[in-house]
Amino acid sequence: QKEVEQNSGPLSVPEGAIASLNCTYSDRGSQSFFWYRQYSGKSPELIMSIYSNGDKEDGRFTAQLNKASQYVSLLIRDSQPSDSATYLCALSTGYSTLTFGKGTMLLVSP
Amino acid sequence: SAVISQKPSRDICQRGTSLTIQCQVDSQVTMMFWYRQQPGQSLTLIATANQGSEATYESGFVIDKFPISRPNLTFSTLTVSNMSPEDSSIYLCSVATDNQPQHFGDGTRLSIL
Repeated sequence: QKEVEQNSGPLSVPEGAIASLNCTYSDRGSQSFFWYRQYSGKSPELIMSIYSNGDKEDGRFTAQLNKASQYVSLLIRDSQPSDSATYLCALSTGYSTLTFGKGTMLLVSP
Repeated sequence: SAVISQKPSRDICQRGTSLTIQCQVDSQVTMMFWYRQQPGQSLTLIATANQGSEATYESGFVIDKFPISRPNLTFSTLTVSNMSPEDSSIYLCSVATDNQPQHFGDGTRLSIL
């Protein structure tokens, strides 16, 4: 059974700081990893995908993947109050179906 | 990415009734999925909607309770049958093309009285 673990939070950071969100998973066959952002009352929005070990940067967001440690993280630099949301880690074994973690709530204070 | 329209956006229903939720995409997509998100919880996959054949259901979900149709590559429906208060949830449609990541519709917020 696939498991995706995230700290539920809330993770509180001040504006301008780096927010670090972490996710561990149990299925070593997982091939694709995603971070979705979900604002309260809204549907999830894809913000990052990563498929190979290492870092992937997109603007203020950096995803990090370590398959040996079964660990994926999301760093948000220069955090803004508008980044306050729940961040969902999701993974796939390659057939498009996703398994989601329970999400980490991020609160960025002005 | 594709534009996904989900209807209705919300509804309040009586127990024992059924509701059909529609998911329309503005372009052909390979995969369509239906998820449930219960209050304060993460997303749980109900089923994969297969074009021209029966949906593939996840453990704990059955066709009699959640019948799904997918007549073509741009449209799918999910019916929540014989509803009870435990079915109060957000139901989400997502789509993917080839091996691209999934994108979600706006969801249907369903309350059962």
